[in-house]
Amino acid sequence: DQQVKQNSPSLSVQEGRISILNCDYTNSMFDYFLWYKKYPAEGPTFLISISSIKDKNEDGRFTVFLNKSAKHLSLHIVPSQPGDSAVYFCAASYTSGAQKLVFGQGTRLTINP
Amino acid sequence: SAVISQKPSRDICQRGTSLTIQCQVDSQVTMMFWYRQQPGQSLTLIATANQGSEATYESGFVIDKFPISRPNLTFSTLTVSNMSPEDSSIYLCSAGRDEKLFFGSGTQLSVL
Repeated sequence: DQQVKQNSPSLSVQEGRISILNCDYTNSMFDYFLWYKKYPAEGPTFLISISSIKDKNEDGRFTVFLNKSAKHLSLHIVPSQPGDSAVYFCAASYTSGAQKLVFGQGTRLTINP
Repeated sequence: SAVISQKPSRDICQRGTSLTIQCQVDSQVTMMFWYRQQPGQSLTLIATANQGSEATYESGFVIDKFPISRPNLTFSTLTVSNMSPEDSSIYLCSAGRDEKLFFGSGTQLSVL
C-alpha cells in the first residue's frame, strides 16, 4: 500500500526550462509535505516543505504547490540547472517538524545542456 | 543543518553474519530514525531510535532482526542480524533539527 506515489520514475528537461515533479498521496491525515534531493552515494538533502494549511511555498528557484482536494503536490524548479540532476523524493508526515516520514519512490531528474 | 556521520559507508558481508552501523550526530537531537532503501525502491522507515529505551519498530521490522541502540542524544547503532541477500540495501540514519529531518550519507550493504 503505497501512500505516497511518484508516478514518473524519470524526467528529462532542457537547461533553463522549468522542471515539474509530481507527487500524489492517499492518506488524508498527512499534514506536512517535503521534497528531498538525493545524489548517488549521498543521503537525501532537504529542499523545501509545505504545511497543509498552505497551497504554495517558495524558496529561490524552488516552489512547491499543494492541492489538498486532489491530494497532489508538485515541485517546480525554474530555471533548471545541470546541478539539479538528481533523484527527487516526495515525503509526507502526520505533523510538522522532524517526525517520521513516508516517502514516494523518487523521480530521477536529468537536466540536459 | 545537522551533520550526521555514518559508518561504515559500505560493506560486503557473508550470509548469516551480522553488521553494526554507527550514526553520530554533531549535537544533541530529540528524534533519530533508521531507514532502508532497497534497490530501485523508496526509503522505508525501519524504526525510531529512542534514547534510553527500546526502539519503536514499524510494521514488518522486528527487534531480533534489526536491534537498535541509542545510549545518548547524539549516537545510535543499527545491527542487521543473520543477514541474507535480501538485506542488501542502503541503510540511512536520520535526525531531526529545526523542524527538518536530516540524513547521513548511508551505508551500502551487499550480502553474498
